[in-house]
Amino acid sequence: EVRLVQSGGALVQPGGSLRLSCVGSGFTFGPHGMSWVRQAPGKGLEWVSGVSGGGDSTYYAESVKGRFTISRDRSKNTLYLQMNSLRADDTAIYYCAKDDYTAITATLRYWGQGTRVTVSS
Amino acid sequence: QSALTQPASVSGSPGQSITISCTGTSRDVGGYDYVSWYQHHPDKAPKLILSDVNNRPAGISSRFSGSKSGDTASLIISGLQVEDEADYYCSSYTDFSTVVFGGGTRLTVL
Repeated sequence: EVRLVQSGGALVQPGGSLRLSCVGSGFTFGPHGMSWVRQAPGKGLEWVSGVSGGGDSTYYAESVKGRFTISRDRSKNTLYLQMNSLRADDTAIYYCAKDDYTAITATLRYWGQGTRVTVSS
Repeated sequence: QSALTQPASVSGSPGQSITISCTGTSRDVGGYDYVSWYQHHPDKAPKLILSDVNNRPAGISSRFSGSKSGDTASLIISGLQVEDEADYYCSSYTDFSTVVFGGGTRLTVL
């Protein structure tokens, strides 16, 4: 059974940092592209960032470019999202998701359970 | 990268068919067949119901189908059931090697 288990969500002050984790099991972690997707309160889904299966290519939405960093550790079957310079509009439920392909293609078949990030003073 | 355009809401009665449109540009929907649709119930993770315009993952009902013409993709749900009531999102690969979602459509089954 494919599982993605997330952790790391918290309440953080504006300007602060947070790292989200997503541990995969039940599949070969390496070859697949992985993405982070978020949903702000009352809003729709927003793709945040993606990393290719090889880990050598990373992509970001304009809204987080320069502040967020995606990475993956194959040895730990873990995906990360390092979030710096957090703002109130980063408040959302964050999901990790596994792509069907090696690249990032928007084919997100498996999702984590979501983790809540709240940016507030 | 602007969100793909979906109607905010659609509704239908049990047994009816509905269509949800998803309009982008030649740099996303119109340029690639990497168009997916997701069903999202509150407090649950989104669920992939169609990929590559019209491919159903295992376990997804044949009542769900998709199509694409130019810059617009469509999700068709036939034989509406009460449990289909949810938010639906389209997504597409883009020229920028990123992914863009639609704004979401709330389906109400009357």
